[in-house]
Amino acid sequence: DGGITQSPKYLFRKEGQNVTLSCEQNLNHDAMYWYRQDPGQGLRLIYYSQIVNDFQKGDIAEGYSVSREKKESFPLTVTSAQKNPTAFYLCASSIGTGMNTEAFFGQGTRLTVV
Amino acid sequence: AQSVTQPDIHITVSEGASLELRCNYSYGATPYLFWYVQSPGQGLQLLLKYFSGDTLVQGIKGFEAEFKRSQSSFNLRKPSVHWSDAAEYFCAVGARDSNYQLIWGAGTKLIIKP
Repeated sequence: DGGITQSPKYLFRKEGQNVTLSCEQNLNHDAMYWYRQDPGQGLRLIYYSQIVNDFQKGDIAEGYSVSREKKESFPLTVTSAQKNPTAFYLCASSIGTGMNTEAFFGQGTRLTVV
Repeated sequence: AQSVTQPDIHITVSEGASLELRCNYSYGATPYLFWYVQSPGQGLQLLLKYFSGDTLVQGIKGFEAEFKRSQSSFNLRKPSVHWSDAAEYFCAVGARDSNYQLIWGAGTKLIIKP
């Protein structure tokens, strides 16, 4: 079945560590996105990529980094510069980035700082 | 700037009763409108979307939504809820001014009473 796979489902990070969240899609979508979700808030865009080897910052990119070396993959690194990384992270993809394109979501990764 | 307001953080409805979840947006022109549903600890799934045409749109799982330009609203409705509808519901708006990225409401958590 086609879809988006995020791993791991749960991730624990010590203070000062970098961690990388995986996102893989087999939908042949050009666009991919990373969102952060906190309780009582909507989704906030961290980074997005419209095409391989290209990506743009979203609203809350500070403390995060991404790469898009392959169409299928869009990993997110949460760096030690991100002061409050505990959150639920969602990866999504869409055929394009026009307003009429549906976003398909992965199951999310819950990151906790210990 | 565009914004999306979901006035109700929580809504409790008895099983079998009707449901209406509110969504108001702020945007000068007609935006692209979406409703997504999120089950606990899961990703988001598209329920329905409005781009143009008939202002009453039908979605999956028996949901519908009506676009009302005069009220800047896009409320989600279901005639009779089932226990499996318990989830969090997000309204989102896409517009040219936001570089086609979705602006998300904070979500409404639906609780079903047996």
